[in-house]
Amino acid sequence: DTAVSQTPKYLVTQMGNDKSIKCEQNLGHDTMYWYKQDSKKFLKIMFSYNNKELIINETVPNRFSPKSPDKAHLNLHINSLELGDSAVYFCASSQEEAGGKNEQFFGPGTRLTVL
Amino acid sequence: AQSVTQPDIHITVSEGASLELRCNYSYGATPYLFWYVQSPGQGLQLLLKYFSGDTLVQGIKGFEAEFKRSQSSFNLRKPSVHWSDAAEYFCAGVRVTGGGNKLTFGTGTQLKVEL
Repeated sequence: DTAVSQTPKYLVTQMGNDKSIKCEQNLGHDTMYWYKQDSKKFLKIMFSYNNKELIINETVPNRFSPKSPDKAHLNLHINSLELGDSAVYFCASSQEEAGGKNEQFFGPGTRLTVL
Repeated sequence: AQSVTQPDIHITVSEGASLELRCNYSYGATPYLFWYVQSPGQGLQLLLKYFSGDTLVQGIKGFEAEFKRSQSSFNLRKPSVHWSDAAEYFCAGVRVTGGGNKLTFGTGTQLKVEL
């Protein structure tokens, strides 16, 4: 009964390929997020969806396209992968509340390696 | 800009010794602050959070943190460290924007525990 799950856990691919990472949460939350953690462990938000609507879109290349088919799922599709995309990608979810008090629950991460 | 800073990249302590991990914040109003822990190869787990009220907050795994407005700090403490506490620790603050609540992370502190 994993709260936030991601697939795959590891992803190794060639430059120029297109890949997707899937995320699902069974917590009944209305908000989901994608974070990127670089090689220096720095975590930065990429996107946030609330009830399937995009509410946060940081300065992320448009090669990255999140898709939320429903409240429980937020997938990340990446086109034309580049070496610099190598990182660990974390999905998270929370119940949105004005002021941001609610805890975000994180998935186990997907380690993407672009060769 | 609203942010959190973790001045220590690495800290090594002996098992059984006390621990203090530093976090400084720069937010205009009373910030919402969090401490997360990331064990190797794992996602992030919330240790504790501060919104208002009592400035000493208790968390899981025997951790506590003290909010000090005068020093703009939210340091994490544990009286006696266990070898299993070795992990990466992240301080985070919420930045409330018109487009959603953004969790901004510090750069992390890697804790090593000597047996």
